[in-house]
Formats: sequence, structure tokens, C-alpha cells
Amino acid sequence: QKEVEQNSGPLSVPEGAIASLNCTYSDRGSQSFFWYRQYSGKSPELIMFIYSNGDKEDGRFTAQLNKASQYVSLLIRDSQPSDSATYLCAVPQGGSEKLVFGKGTKLTVNP
Amino acid sequence: DAGITQSPRHKVTETGTPVTLRCHQTENHRYMYWYRQDPGHGLRLIHYSYGVKDTDKGEVSDGYSVSRSKTEDFLLTLESATSSQTSVYFCAISESLAIGTDTQYFGPGTRLTVL
Repeated sequence: QKEVEQNSGPLSVPEGAIASLNCTYSDRGSQSFFWYRQYSGKSPELIMFIYSNGDKEDGRFTAQLNKASQYVSLLIRDSQPSDSATYLCAVPQGGSEKLVFGKGTKLTVNP
Repeated sequence: DAGITQSPRHKVTETGTPVTLRCHQTENHRYMYWYRQDPGHGLRLIHYSYGVKDTDKGEVSDGYSVSRSKTEDFLLTLESATSSQTSVYFCAISESLAIGTDTQYFGPGTRLTVL
């Protein structure tokens, strides 16, 4: 039973637009969430970690956590072609160091 | 890639042969992980280690074994490779300062093809 769900996309947005990526999770006790970016043929790299409810901003990236509705989203403002990648949501499993990853959402930013 | 190397980076082998993949880190992190990534399945945990000689199974451990005799090295072995084990394998490490909040850093990956 998969604990983390993402829309696989592909999601296509024009350059300069806001890209919105969503992730839902099943464990109500989850406290922390990770967003990774993975370029084609490369390894995942962390772009955002969010722990508390609400929003966290880092440059053009904003993570929004809604524990009541059990979803976490990633907004990318002023999207650039270099943002074209697959975005992975990950949630720690049951208070352990293990992460459960969603299948990822592929984002394409068109010039 | 946060001081993580994987070897080999590419390997083609035949069904039934043993294969060992190596992950080496220079960060002295306590936790090490092996994942496989397949289209339609995303990243799935195979095995992980929380210290020298301390390992545990992940979601898809059947057909795989691991060993960690030194902090810096984590080996993944396919005892008898099958075509279903064709995949991209990623090693990851984390420092484990606080449960559930530690970032995992990934190695460059190994592309394994089993014919």
C-alpha cells in the first residue's frame, strides 16, 4: 500500500508561470516532508524540507503543508526551462529514517 | 554528490550471474541506503544500514543482500541476477541527527542491465 501519492503528470507550464505540484500522504502522524528534484539521467537532489504546518519559502520555491487535509504542495514561481525535471515527494516512514517516495511528477517548462 | 561514489556506473550482465554494486562515502554518515528506480514505480528502498554490520530490509529486498564492514562502504549483491532486476540503482546516505528530519543525499547511480 503506497503511502505517498503524486500526480505523475506530465505537467506543462509556460516560462514565467507558477507551477504547482501536489503530494498526498496516508500517515496522519507524519511530521516532516521532503521535495527532491531529479533531472533526466541524474540522481535526486533535495530542494525543500518542511516540518511544521504552513508555508516555507526558499527563493522561487514555496512548500505548503496542510496536515488536516494530508497534503503537501510545492509551488515554483517564475518557472524557468531549467526547472524542467521530475519532482519527488518523500515522507519518513513511521518515525524511522526510511523515506517513502511518491512516483514523482514530471514538469516541463516551455520557453 | 555529497562525497558519494558508486561503482560500476554501468553494467551489463547475464541472467544467473552474481553482481555486486559498491557505494562509497567520504562523509562519515551513519545511515546508508540502496534504492532501485523503475518507470512507473519510482524510488523503492531495497536495504539500508544504520551502522557497521547493522542492516535491515526495505520494501523490495527479495533477491538482494547487503554488507557493511566499514562505515564508508555499503555493498549490494544480487546473488543470481534476473531480468526483473534490470534497473537504476541509487545509493544514499544520511547523518541521522534527528529521526525523520535528516536529508538523504544520493549518489550518481548505477545502471544495471540483466540480459
